[in-house]
Amino acid sequence: GAVVSQHPSRVICKSGTSVKIECRSLDFQATTMFWYRQFPKQSLMLMATSNEGSKATYEQGVEKDKFLINHASLTLSTLTVTSAHPEDSSFYICSATGLQGTDTQYFGPGTRLTVL
Amino acid sequence: QKEVEQNSGPLSVPEGAIASLNCTYSDRVSQSFFWYRQYSGKSPELIMSIYSNGDKEDGRFTAQLNKASQYVSLLIRDSQPSDSATYLCAVNRYGGATNKLIFGTGTLLAVQP
Repeated sequence: GAVVSQHPSRVICKSGTSVKIECRSLDFQATTMFWYRQFPKQSLMLMATSNEGSKATYEQGVEKDKFLINHASLTLSTLTVTSAHPEDSSFYICSATGLQGTDTQYFGPGTRLTVL
Repeated sequence: QKEVEQNSGPLSVPEGAIASLNCTYSDRVSQSFFWYRQYSGKSPELIMSIYSNGDKEDGRFTAQLNKASQYVSLLIRDSQPSDSATYLCAVNRYGGATNKLIFGTGTLLAVQP
Protein backbone atom coordinates (compact mmCIF):
# COMPACT_ATOMS: atom_id res chain seq x y z
CA GLY A 1 0.00 0.00 0.00
CA ALA A 2 0.83 3.74 0.04
CA VAL A 3 1.88 4.23 -3.55
CA VAL A 4 2.06 7.77 -4.86
CA SER A 5 2.77 8.45 -8.51
CA GLN A 6 3.82 11.59 -10.34
CA HIS A 7 3.68 12.47 -13.98
CA PRO A 8 5.75 13.42 -15.83
CA SER A 9 8.99 12.26 -14.26
CA ARG A 10 11.01 14.72 -16.29
CA VAL A 11 10.06 17.75 -18.35
CA ILE A 12 12.02 20.28 -20.34
CA CYS A 13 10.26 23.43 -21.45
CA LYS A 14 10.98 26.84 -22.87
CA SER A 15 10.96 29.94 -20.73
CA GLY A 16 7.50 31.49 -20.52
CA THR A 17 5.52 28.31 -20.93
CA SER A 18 3.39 26.58 -18.29
CA VAL A 19 3.95 23.08 -17.01
CA LYS A 20 1.46 20.86 -15.20
CA ILE A 21 2.57 18.11 -12.84
CA GLU A 22 0.15 15.44 -11.63
CA CYS A 23 0.30 13.65 -8.31
CA ARG A 24 -1.86 10.60 -7.66
CA SER A 25 -2.36 8.34 -4.67
CA LEU A 26 -2.87 4.94 -6.29
CA ASP A 27 -4.10 2.75 -3.46
CA PHE A 28 -5.48 5.07 -0.81
CA GLN A 29 -7.54 8.21 -0.51
CA ALA A 30 -5.31 11.14 0.30
CA THR A 31 -6.90 13.58 2.69
CA THR A 32 -4.01 15.96 2.27
CA MET A 33 -1.36 16.37 -0.40
CA PHE A 34 1.81 18.37 -0.14
CA TRP A 35 4.09 19.88 -2.77
CA TYR A 36 7.82 20.27 -2.18
CA ARG A 37 10.70 21.66 -4.17
CA GLN A 38 14.30 20.58 -3.82
CA PHE A 39 17.31 22.30 -5.31
CA PRO A 40 20.59 20.38 -5.74
CA LYS A 41 22.29 19.50 -2.45
CA GLN A 42 19.56 21.23 -0.46
CA SER A 43 16.82 19.89 1.75
CA LEU A 44 13.16 19.64 0.84
CA MET A 45 11.25 22.89 0.89
CA LEU A 46 7.52 22.74 1.44
CA MET A 47 5.68 24.89 -1.08
CA ALA A 48 2.04 24.27 -0.24
CA THR A 49 -0.47 22.01 1.43
CA SER A 50 -3.73 21.08 -0.23
CA ASN A 51 -6.89 19.36 0.95
CA GLU A 52 -9.44 17.96 -1.45
CA GLY A 53 -11.97 20.57 -2.45
CA SER A 54 -10.22 23.40 -0.62
CA LYS A 55 -7.84 26.13 -1.64
CA ALA A 56 -4.21 25.29 -1.10
CA THR A 57 -2.26 26.83 1.77
CA TYR A 58 1.00 28.25 0.52
CA GLU A 59 4.18 28.66 2.52
CA GLN A 60 5.61 32.09 3.03
CA GLY A 61 7.48 33.29 -0.03
CA VAL A 62 5.77 30.94 -2.48
CA GLU A 63 3.79 32.79 -5.14
CA LYS A 64 0.33 31.30 -5.34
CA ASP A 65 -0.34 32.88 -8.74
CA LYS A 66 2.77 31.28 -10.16
CA PHE A 67 2.36 27.85 -8.62
CA LEU A 68 -1.27 26.88 -9.11
CA ILE A 69 -2.46 23.90 -7.13
CA ASN A 70 -5.68 22.03 -7.74
CA HIS A 71 -6.83 19.16 -5.56
CA ALA A 72 -9.92 17.99 -7.40
CA SER A 73 -10.32 14.56 -5.84
CA LEU A 74 -9.05 12.43 -2.99
CA THR A 75 -6.55 10.80 -5.32
CA LEU A 76 -5.35 13.62 -7.56
CA SER A 77 -3.57 16.93 -7.06
CA THR A 78 -1.93 19.01 -9.75
CA LEU A 79 0.75 21.68 -9.63
CA THR A 80 0.99 24.08 -12.54
CA VAL A 81 4.09 26.19 -12.87
CA THR A 82 2.93 29.20 -14.86
CA SER A 83 5.23 31.27 -17.05
CA ALA A 84 8.19 29.16 -16.05
CA HIS A 85 11.67 30.68 -15.96
CA PRO A 86 15.10 29.06 -15.63
CA GLU A 87 15.15 29.79 -11.89
CA ASP A 88 12.09 27.52 -11.54
CA SER A 89 14.19 24.57 -12.67
CA SER A 90 14.12 22.16 -9.75
CA PHE A 91 13.00 18.77 -8.48
CA TYR A 92 9.30 18.94 -7.56
CA ILE A 93 8.01 16.23 -5.24
CA CYS A 94 4.51 15.60 -3.96
CA SER A 95 3.47 13.61 -0.94
CA ALA A 96 0.17 12.39 0.43
CA THR A 97 -1.29 11.46 3.79
CA GLY A 98 -4.43 9.63 4.70
CA LEU A 99 -3.52 5.95 4.65
CA GLN A 100 -5.32 4.26 7.52
CA GLY A 101 -5.92 7.62 9.12
CA THR A 102 -2.28 8.17 9.97
CA ASP A 103 -0.25 11.33 9.45
CA THR A 104 2.56 9.55 7.62
CA GLN A 105 3.53 11.25 4.38
CA TYR A 106 4.26 9.04 1.39
CA PHE A 107 6.25 10.64 -1.38
CA GLY A 108 5.89 10.43 -5.11
CA PRO A 109 8.97 9.79 -7.27
CA GLY A 110 9.37 13.45 -8.15
CA THR A 111 9.38 15.51 -11.34
CA ARG A 112 12.55 17.10 -12.61
CA LEU A 113 11.76 20.37 -14.34
CA THR A 114 14.28 22.07 -16.58
CA VAL A 115 13.37 25.46 -18.01
CA LEU A 116 15.54 26.58 -20.91
CA GLN B 1 17.95 27.09 16.79
CA LYS B 2 16.63 24.96 13.94
CA GLU B 3 13.45 23.04 14.60
CA VAL B 4 15.04 19.75 13.54
CA GLU B 5 18.79 19.31 13.67
CA GLN B 6 20.96 16.61 12.18
CA ASN B 7 24.66 16.29 11.64
CA SER B 8 25.20 16.65 7.90
CA GLY B 9 28.00 14.11 7.84
CA PRO B 10 29.26 12.34 5.90
CA LEU B 11 29.07 9.46 8.34
CA SER B 12 31.35 6.74 7.08
CA VAL B 13 31.01 3.19 8.39
CA PRO B 14 32.45 -0.11 7.16
CA GLU B 15 30.20 -2.73 5.67
CA GLY B 16 28.61 -4.88 8.35
CA ALA B 17 28.92 -2.25 11.08
CA ILE B 18 26.15 -0.42 12.91
CA ALA B 19 25.37 3.06 11.63
CA SER B 20 23.93 5.46 14.18
CA LEU B 21 22.08 8.52 12.98
CA ASN B 22 20.90 11.19 15.38
CA CYS B 23 18.34 13.95 15.36
CA THR B 24 17.15 16.55 17.87
CA TYR B 25 14.02 18.67 17.70
CA SER B 26 12.92 21.81 19.45
CA ASP B 27 9.11 21.61 19.67
CA ARG B 28 8.22 19.77 22.87
CA VAL B 29 4.64 19.08 21.75
CA SER B 30 5.69 17.09 18.68
CA GLN B 31 4.11 13.65 18.64
CA SER B 32 5.09 12.05 15.32
CA PHE B 33 8.59 11.33 14.12
CA PHE B 34 9.81 9.86 10.86
CA TRP B 35 12.96 8.68 9.19
CA TYR B 36 13.23 8.86 5.42
CA ARG B 37 16.00 7.69 3.14
CA GLN B 38 16.83 9.66 0.03
CA TYR B 39 19.15 8.40 -2.67
CA SER B 40 20.82 11.00 -4.85
CA GLY B 41 18.39 12.27 -7.47
CA LYS B 42 15.44 10.37 -6.00
CA SER B 43 12.55 11.29 -3.73
CA PRO B 44 12.42 10.40 -0.01
CA GLU B 45 11.38 6.89 0.94
CA LEU B 46 9.83 6.18 4.33
CA ILE B 47 11.90 3.92 6.55
CA MET B 48 10.04 4.18 9.80
CA SER B 49 7.66 6.20 11.90
CA ILE B 50 7.75 6.33 15.69
CA TYR B 51 5.29 7.87 18.10
CA SER B 52 6.11 6.48 21.56
CA ASN B 53 9.18 6.66 23.74
CA GLY B 54 11.49 3.71 23.40
CA ASP B 55 12.67 1.53 20.56
CA LYS B 56 10.89 0.37 17.44
CA GLU B 57 12.50 -2.28 15.29
CA ASP B 58 11.88 -3.16 11.66
CA GLY B 59 14.34 -5.57 10.12
CA ARG B 60 17.82 -4.05 10.26
CA PHE B 61 16.45 -0.68 11.35
CA THR B 62 15.73 0.48 14.89
CA ALA B 63 14.28 3.88 15.69
CA GLN B 64 14.69 5.26 19.19
CA LEU B 65 12.66 8.10 20.65
CA ASN B 66 13.24 10.03 23.85
CA LYS B 67 10.71 12.83 24.17
CA ALA B 68 12.14 14.13 27.44
CA SER B 69 15.47 14.74 25.72
CA GLN B 70 13.79 15.69 22.42
CA TYR B 71 15.94 13.17 20.65
CA VAL B 72 15.26 10.58 17.98
CA SER B 73 17.78 8.24 16.42
CA LEU B 74 18.03 5.56 13.77
CA LEU B 75 20.29 2.54 14.02
CA ILE B 76 21.11 0.49 10.95
CA ARG B 77 22.55 -2.92 11.74
CA ASP B 78 24.74 -4.88 9.33
CA SER B 79 25.16 -1.80 7.13
CA GLN B 80 25.38 -2.48 3.41
CA PRO B 81 26.80 -0.33 0.61
CA SER B 82 23.22 -0.04 -0.67
CA ASP B 83 22.37 1.82 2.55
CA SER B 84 24.57 4.70 1.38
CA ALA B 85 22.17 7.62 1.08
CA THR B 86 21.00 10.75 2.86
CA TYR B 87 18.82 10.04 5.88
CA LEU B 88 16.22 12.66 6.70
CA CYS B 89 14.70 13.06 10.13
CA ALA B 90 11.24 14.64 10.09
CA VAL B 91 8.95 15.84 12.83
CA ASN B 92 5.27 16.60 12.40
CA ARG B 93 4.21 20.10 13.39
CA TYR B 94 0.54 20.48 14.06
CA GLY B 95 -1.18 23.74 13.31
CA GLY B 96 -4.73 24.59 12.38
CA ALA B 97 -6.52 22.22 10.07
CA THR B 98 -3.46 20.42 8.79
CA ASN B 99 -0.04 19.46 9.91
CA LYS B 100 3.26 19.52 8.09
CA LEU B 101 6.59 17.80 8.28
CA ILE B 102 9.63 19.72 9.40
CA PHE B 103 12.74 18.13 7.95
CA GLY B 104 16.28 18.16 9.14
CA THR B 105 18.95 18.85 6.56
CA GLY B 106 19.81 15.16 6.44
CA THR B 107 22.84 13.03 7.28
CA LEU B 108 24.83 11.55 4.42
CA LEU B 109 25.75 7.96 5.18
CA ALA B 110 28.56 6.26 3.29
CA VAL B 111 28.98 2.52 3.84
CA GLN B 112 32.43 1.40 2.75
CA PRO B 113 32.67 -2.09 1.20
